[in-house]
Amino acid sequence: DAGVTQSPTHLIKTRGQHVTLRCSPISGHKSVSWYQQVLGQGPQFIFQYYEKEERGRGNFPDRFSARQFPNYSSELNVNALLLGDSALYLCASSFSMNTEAFFGQGTRLTVV
Amino acid sequence: AQRVTQPEKLLSVFKGAPVELKCNYSYSGSPELFWYVQYSRQRLQLLLRHISRESIKGFTADLNKGETSFHLKKPFAQEEDSAMYYCALSGDTGFQKLVFGTGTRLLVSP
Repeated sequence: DAGVTQSPTHLIKTRGQHVTLRCSPISGHKSVSWYQQVLGQGPQFIFQYYEKEERGRGNFPDRFSARQFPNYSSELNVNALLLGDSALYLCASSFSMNTEAFFGQGTRLTVV
Repeated sequence: AQRVTQPEKLLSVFKGAPVELKCNYSYSGSPELFWYVQYSRQRLQLLLRHISRESIKGFTADLNKGETSFHLKKPFAQEEDSAMYYCALSGDTGFQKLVFGTGTRLLVSP
C-alpha cells in the first residue's frame, strides 16, 4: 500500500521562476495539507484542502497557491521564487478534516 | 497566537536511561497535542496524541494544562529510539493546522 507520494523528490529553480509540486494522497483520503520545512525548523502550515475546497491557510504570501483535483490529488504552486523559498515541502493527507495526518517524503526545493 | 516550544535541540542519553523530551505550548483555546517522530531516512509519522492517552513504543505524554506542557517520556531508552521528535498542536479552528516545534534530536548510545 503506497503512502502519500510527492513529486518530484528534488528540484532546483532560479529566482523569479515558478514551481509546481504534486501530491497524491492515500487512497480514500479526502484532505490534503501542505507544509514548508526550512532547515533546522519544524514544518510550517501553508494550506489545507478538503473536498476540493481550501479550508485553511497559513501565513504565507499570495505567491503561494494550491488546488485539489476531483481525485483528491493536489498541487502547490509558488510564483516569483525567492531564495528564502528553499525548503522541504511536505504534503500530508487525512481521511477527513481532523483525523490523523500522514506525511509524504517531501519535495526538496532549492532556489538559486 | 499558537506556539510550540521545544527547548532542547539535542538530547543524548545512554541505552536504558530515562528520557524526557520537553514541550511547552501557547494557545488560548483548547488545543490538541501531538508528538511526531522522524527516523533516519523515513517520513514524519505520528507517535501519539494526547486524546488517545495511550503508550506507543513505551512512550507516554501527559497534557498539563496548568503548566501548558506536553512532555514525552520513556523510562528506558533503546537505541532504536534515536530520531527527530517534533511536538505539535492543533487548535480548535475547525481545520487541521498543525503548529510544530523546532524539534529535538534524541541520540541513544549503547
